[in-house]
Amino acid sequence: EVQLLESGGGLLQPGGSLRLSCAASGFSFSTNDMSWVRQAPGKGLEWVSSISATGDKTFYADSVKGRFSISRDNSKNTLHLQMNSLRAEDTALYYCARGTSNPGDWGQGTLVTVSS
Amino acid sequence: DVVMTQSPLSLPVTLGQPASISCRSSQSLLYSDGNTYLSWFQQRPGRSPRRLIYKVSKRDSGVPDRFSGSGSGTDFTLKISRVEAEDVGVYYCMQGIQWPRTFGQGTKLEIK
Repeated sequence: EVQLLESGGGLLQPGGSLRLSCAASGFSFSTNDMSWVRQAPGKGLEWVSSISATGDKTFYADSVKGRFSISRDNSKNTLHLQMNSLRAEDTALYYCARGTSNPGDWGQGTLVTVSS
Repeated sequence: DVVMTQSPLSLPVTLGQPASISCRSSQSLLYSDGNTYLSWFQQRPGRSPRRLIYKVSKRDSGVPDRFSGSGSGTDFTLKISRVEAEDVGVYYCMQGIQWPRTFGQGTKLEIK
């Protein structure tokens, strides 16, 4: 059974930094592209970032480019999202998902709240 | 960016009746590999999104066969042949052909 378990969310002030993690199991992590998708409270889904299976290619939404960095550790089956210079509009539930063209498995999400 | 436009945004349906959601993309979703990367997701209240359909019409394992996807190019449809109570939630389409990936606004299905 595929499992994606996000962690690292929390409450922080504007300008702060946070590192999200996603622990993957139940599939061959090292051969799958991965993505982060977020959902602001009461809003729709917004793609944030994706990374290729080997980690050599990364992609970002314009809204986070230059502030967020996606990475992966295939030896530990873990996906990360380093979030810097956080803004109020980054407040959302962040989901880890398997795949990039049609993400088939999703985690339960980790909540990031940016507020002064 | 590829803009994904769903309609309707609100869909009240009587139990047992059919339902249909439209999704239109601002550009063709046909990729050079011959596949069309259009997916449908269901998000039940308080739950994570769940993929129902990928590559326009391929149903995921465990998805009831009352759900079907169709379309090509820029026009796509998700159909539910007979709505059940468990189908309540928000449905999203998503394109996977261009960066950035983009979702439709979501269609909220409720029971009338």
